[in-house]
Amino acid sequence: DTGVSQDPRHKITKRGQNVTFRCDPISEHNRLYWYRQTLGQGPEFLTYFQNEAQLEKSRLLSDRFSAERPKGSFSTLEIQRTEQGDSAMYLCASSFLGPAASYGYTFGSGTRLTVV
Amino acid sequence: KQEVTQIPAALSVPEGENLVLNCSFTDSAIYNLQWFRQDPGKGLTSLLLIQSSQREQTSGRLNASLDKSSGRSTLYIAASQPGDSATYLCAVVGGAGGGADGLTFGKGTHLIIQP
Repeated sequence: DTGVSQDPRHKITKRGQNVTFRCDPISEHNRLYWYRQTLGQGPEFLTYFQNEAQLEKSRLLSDRFSAERPKGSFSTLEIQRTEQGDSAMYLCASSFLGPAASYGYTFGSGTRLTVV
Repeated sequence: KQEVTQIPAALSVPEGENLVLNCSFTDSAIYNLQWFRQDPGKGLTSLLLIQSSQREQTSGRLNASLDKSSGRSTLYIAASQPGDSATYLCAVVGGAGGGADGLTFGKGTHLIIQP
């Protein structure tokens, strides 16, 4: 297991189309996070899973966004009816939460979404 | 709500200099703090993780310190090289409104090392 994998690396889509991104975390990690990063800003938290349960969603995650993590393995992030404001880098991270809090996060390379 | 501020926003120095990047956070009730590096158009690479009970961590030419009570961390880069050019991001876990164990990031320091 070489790290967190994200697919695709780049996605260009027309406004109004649906897109889906995939994240494969480090297999030993039980937590998976999605972040969004726009130009010149730090990443912003979207949602996270512990195993297969989605435990928290940011208010940034509008009704057009949905995330799943079936069987506690890979995760998908779907954006429906994309808007130009959705253009950003979508980052996935995983971590292992032990009894003494997090042991640090490992990020994937991200998916760059451009909505035209 | 936890807020993270990084100073300076940008920094350009000649090769070989030692430099310090600063990070401050508003809520000191953190679990840990992590420094990341981001190259243009790429994901984040973890540099150093400091648990709340620790004062500093070192990796090669990098040294990060944490003063939890004052809400500050510094990243010290010794003998800078052109390959160190990147954006450096500071992030904390914990504090009000940060999302359970989610990271709250600063906007980063864009570093350029001139050959």
